[in-house]
Amino acid sequence: KQEVTQIPAALSVPEGENLVLNCSFTDSAIYNLQWFRQDPGKGLTSLLLIQSSQREQTSGRLNASLDKSSGRSTLYIAASQPGDSATYLCAVNAETSGSRLTFGEGTQLTVNP
Amino acid sequence: NAGVTQTPKFQVLKTGQSMTLQCAQDMNHEYMSWYRQDPGMGLRLIHYSVGAGITDQGEVPNGYNVSRSTTEDFPLRLLSAAPSQTSVYFCASSYLGQGKRNEQFFGPGTRLTVL
Repeated sequence: KQEVTQIPAALSVPEGENLVLNCSFTDSAIYNLQWFRQDPGKGLTSLLLIQSSQREQTSGRLNASLDKSSGRSTLYIAASQPGDSATYLCAVNAETSGSRLTFGEGTQLTVNP
Repeated sequence: NAGVTQTPKFQVLKTGQSMTLQCAQDMNHEYMSWYRQDPGMGLRLIHYSVGAGITDQGEVPNGYNVSRSTTEDFPLRLLSAAPSQTSVYFCASSYLGQGKRNEQFFGPGTRLTVL
């Protein structure tokens, strides 16, 4: 059974800092991995999707990397801003699961002005 | 495009009542799914569908029913609400297949309280 772990569970940083969020998964047979952002009381917003054949994907100040063989992904946020404060979730689409996603529990990020 | 929409946003039920949570998408996605989100347990899959007329159970299906009569709509029915079903419910959709087309989009959620 696929398990997804996100470390740390919470992170507080000063504005302007570069930071890395970590996601690990137990079964490396995946189609893709997706990073989401969730603001308090809101739905999930898709940030980046990395296909299993890709090593990284970039969108603005966000860069996600994937090391499928070791079961790891990182989300790098450059020059963090208070507006980046949210919970970040990673989700894995395993080859045996069709389109079903398995989620980590998320990292709650606070960026202090 | 409206994307994925869910109604209602909030709902309070009494134990034993039934209700339907609505989900619709206008992206012509084949795949639709329902998750519940609970503190300390993350998002868990309830039911999913790969097309009209085809549904299947996820990780936590007990107490819930679904049907998919059209591509656009995927309602979730609570048959007899229990306090353990107090949660936030999210609907999601995507194209089937691999790669970028499999990117999943989520609705804003329904916050359900069962007294």
